[in-house]
Amino acid sequence: GAGVSQTPSNKVTEKGKYVELRCDPISGHTALYWYRQSLGQGPEFLIYFQGTGAADDSGLPNDRFFAVRPEGSVSTLKIQRTERGDSAVYLCASSLTPSGATGELFFGEGSRLTVL
Amino acid sequence: DQQVKQNSPSLSVQEGRISILNCDYTNSMFDYFLWYKKYPAEGPTFLISISSIKDKNEDGRFTVFLNKSAKHLSLHIVPSQPGDSAVYFCAARGSQGNLIFGKGTKLSVKP
Repeated sequence: GAGVSQTPSNKVTEKGKYVELRCDPISGHTALYWYRQSLGQGPEFLIYFQGTGAADDSGLPNDRFFAVRPEGSVSTLKIQRTERGDSAVYLCASSLTPSGATGELFFGEGSRLTVL
Repeated sequence: DQQVKQNSPSLSVQEGRISILNCDYTNSMFDYFLWYKKYPAEGPTFLISISSIKDKNEDGRFTVFLNKSAKHLSLHIVPSQPGDSAVYFCAARGSQGNLIFGKGTKLSVKP
């Protein structure tokens, strides 16, 4: 597809369950970012991949959160033992290089996670 | 401690007038500043950016001004249109290319 694709668009789960969120970046984009946006807040950085490796995971809130990008394209954000505070919109973004000319990241529409 | 601050949660402007959205930052090492626009249930979309070595960048109705000594930037939209109604996020680029966002300002342009 032409843009960043995220699935599912909506996910409702129960406290304690495991969740996976998928991101398909723009073809050819080597840099991939995950953000989380809570109500009334701006997007908050979680993790950044350059190729297959996580170059910066300093934004992951705790060890229940993990992300992979095994082939340098699609990425999966994994959340174990979900808590109600994990409810948010999870945004994925990609760029051609990590330091593109204008700094622009291209965002997907997000996956809205609700933990009951 | 927020590195990028948007102190006005909302702004209401009449159609045809100028909208001015403000943003302050704390880290003088940021090299690029960007504005994103977000409609409900959509991802943020890029609007305009400015390098830290410049003080102004213009694109059609949108102009971004950067005052490095004050660590302040602003987005001017003129003339404002009802379709501009959205949440606007200011962002600064960190060392790894990740963007650090403010909390956003909700702009309402009234016909």
